Amino acid sequence: GAGVSQSPSNKVTEKGKDVELRCDPISGHTALYWYRQSLGQGLEFLIYFQGNSAPDKSGLPSDRFSAERTGGSVSTLTIQRTQQEDSAVYLCASSLSRTGTSGPRSSYEQYFGPGTRLTVT
Amino acid sequence: GENVEQHPSTLSVQEGDSAVIKCTYSDSASNYFPWYKQELGKRPQLIIDIRSNVGEKKDQRIAVTLNKTAKHFSLHITETQPEDSAVYFCAASIVAAGNKLTFGGGTRVLVKP
Repeated sequence: GAGVSQSPSNKVTEKGKDVELRCDPISGHTALYWYRQSLGQGLEFLIYFQGNSAPDKSGLPSDRFSAERTGGSVSTLTIQRTQQEDSAVYLCASSLSRTGTSGPRSSYEQYFGPGTRLTVT
Repeated sequence: GENVEQHPSTLSVQEGDSAVIKCTYSDSASNYFPWYKQELGKRPQLIIDIRSNVGEKKDQRIAVTLNKTAKHFSLHITETQPEDSAVYFCAASIVAAGNKLTFGGGTRVLVKP
């Protein structure tokens, strides 16, 4: 079946502009995560959505970052007034559930999308 | 919050030899420990994971061990092959707190033919 998809795959923007990154999770996955991968900081958690609950924004680095998830499916990560330090690969992941029985592969597995490479010039 | 340390940062092995990567975590409440493999320019992919109620898990050439008392876990790859060359990341999370992954810094593994 289809995996997690993200768009655009690459985005180059000027400092100070706003950007929107999109994530389409695997159908039926209730949990959705955004992570950022950069050379200096490695892979870091940004924000988490579970069903219709309020998102966990504890990883967002500043109030310039926000995200929403519409209809429990597609998610958009928005970065306002981009800065050069925002340059990174933004990865989305989805998971079947944060609870449940485990089998050969845990139901906690997070499936990652291909990422959006953001370059702020 | 949770902190995950991963060693070594780079590892070069001869084809057929074993590779071991070690991680330590700081939060004793963490109870889920996945390992991801990321090839150059590709997305991270889960290769094996372990929950805190078991001490060891094996899947063909890959095994993971967990020592909850010492708060460390390790990835073991036996009979390495050139296609095992990649960056490997360990991670830890608390499942009931949303399963938000805290990653180690990664290990670049090079398998020399």
